[in-house]
Amino acid sequence: AQSVTQLGSHVSVSEGALVLLRCNYSSSVPPYLFWYVQYPNQGLQLLLKYTTGATLVKGINGFEAEFKKSETSFHLTKPSAHMSDAAEYFCAVRKFASKIIFGSGTRLSIRP
Amino acid sequence: NAGVTQTPKFRILKIGQSMTLQCAQDMNHNYMYWYRQDPGMGLKLIYYSVGAGITDKGEVPNGYNVSRSTTEDFPLRLELAAPSQTSVYFCASSYQDTNTEAFFGQGTRLTVV
Repeated sequence: AQSVTQLGSHVSVSEGALVLLRCNYSSSVPPYLFWYVQYPNQGLQLLLKYTTGATLVKGINGFEAEFKKSETSFHLTKPSAHMSDAAEYFCAVRKFASKIIFGSGTRLSIRP
Repeated sequence: NAGVTQTPKFRILKIGQSMTLQCAQDMNHNYMYWYRQDPGMGLKLIYYSVGAGITDKGEVPNGYNVSRSTTEDFPLRLELAAPSQTSVYFCASSYQDTNTEAFFGQGTRLTVV
């Protein structure tokens, strides 16, 4: 069955530092991959998605992710963290049309 | 733009009571989903629907029921509420194309006491 694994339930970085949130997927066929962000007491909103084509995907708020088939990874990065980036981030996979499966989430904290 | 609308936002239920969580979308999406979110567990799929009259179980369907009589609405029914159903529930919808994302409602925070 398709699934995603997010390494690290909590990541803390200093303001201005690199953000790296890890996501690995399990699938024999590359799926469609998504990163969502959830701010406190809100629903999820899409940050970016990989479908086909360019493996480096740019999203909103300066985030980007690189699809690496050889590593079955889709890690999320941002060069310089901002206080407003504090939130929970979810990686998700959609291989078949019907189901979207989410990882367990990574809470990102930003230190002043 | 309304998007995906969930009601109510908060609810406290007593053990054994039942209730229906409402979800409506105005984007003409074929697919709709119900997830529950528990701390540290991510989102678990409860039920999903690929169109009016068609529903299927997700990862954690026990204790829940759904129906889909229209494209717009996808209510989630809790029968005989249990403390284990204390959670935040999210409804989402999407187009059927595999390369499209889901759009989420704001969630319903349910406490069973």
